[in-house]
Amino acid sequence: AQSVTQPDIHITVSEGASLELRCNYSYGATPYLFWYVQSPGQGLQLLLKYFSGDTLVQGIKGFEAEFKRSQSSFNLRKPSVHWSDAAEYFCAAHGRGKLIFGQGTELSVKP
Amino acid sequence: ETGVTQSPTHLIKTRGQQVTLRCSSQSGHNTVSWYQQALGQGPQFIFQYYREEENGRGNFPPRFSGLQFPNYSSELNVNALELDDSALYLCASSRDPGERDEQYFGPGTRLTVT
Repeated sequence: AQSVTQPDIHITVSEGASLELRCNYSYGATPYLFWYVQSPGQGLQLLLKYFSGDTLVQGIKGFEAEFKRSQSSFNLRKPSVHWSDAAEYFCAAHGRGKLIFGQGTELSVKP
Repeated sequence: ETGVTQSPTHLIKTRGQQVTLRCSSQSGHNTVSWYQQALGQGPQFIFQYYREEENGRGNFPPRFSGLQFPNYSSELNVNALELDDSALYLCASSRDPGERDEQYFGPGTRLTVT
C-alpha cells in the first residue's frame, strides 16, 4: 500500500539555524511528491513539488527538497530558519487521484 | 482570482445528528477533493468530485456523502455523527483530477461532535 512517513513528530531549531525535515514514501512507481505547510487554524499551502527530472527542487519561502529514489526519501531543507517558519509541515504523495499525507512534523523556532 | 472558501468555519453538533459542510472551488477548477484531518494527524482523503460525479473515494463509511454542483462548488454531508468525526474538514480544488494538477486548499471547517 502507498504510504508516507514523517519520522519526526516535533522539531525545535534556533532562528537562523538550518533545517531538515524527513519524509519517506512507499510507492510502486515514480511518485509525485509534495510538501505543504499549515499554520494554526489555516489550510494547507504548497511549498514545492516533485514530478520528475532534477531531483533538487526549489520552492517558496526559501525551501528546497531533494528526491532520493535509492532511499525513498524526499527531505525538506532550509538553510536559515525564520521565526515565521514555525508551523506544521506535511509531506504528501499523489496516488490514484488522491493525496496521501504523512502525519506531519511540527516545527518550533527558538529565538 | 478568488481562492477556495469553506463554510462554516466552526460547527458544534451532537452525536447522531447530521451535518453539511460547503466548499466553493477556485475559479476555473472543476475538481473538488475532501479531506478529514483529526487532531495531530495528517489529512485523510474522503472522496473527490469531478464534473459533478464522484471520482474516487477513500476508506470512509457511506454515511459520508457528497455533491458537486454545476458551478463546481461542493458539499460534504455526514449522517449519524460519531464522536470520532470531530476533526478539521478540508476542501481542495484543482483544474483537473490529474496527478500533476495542484490542489488548492481552503481554510477548513472545524467540526466538534459532543
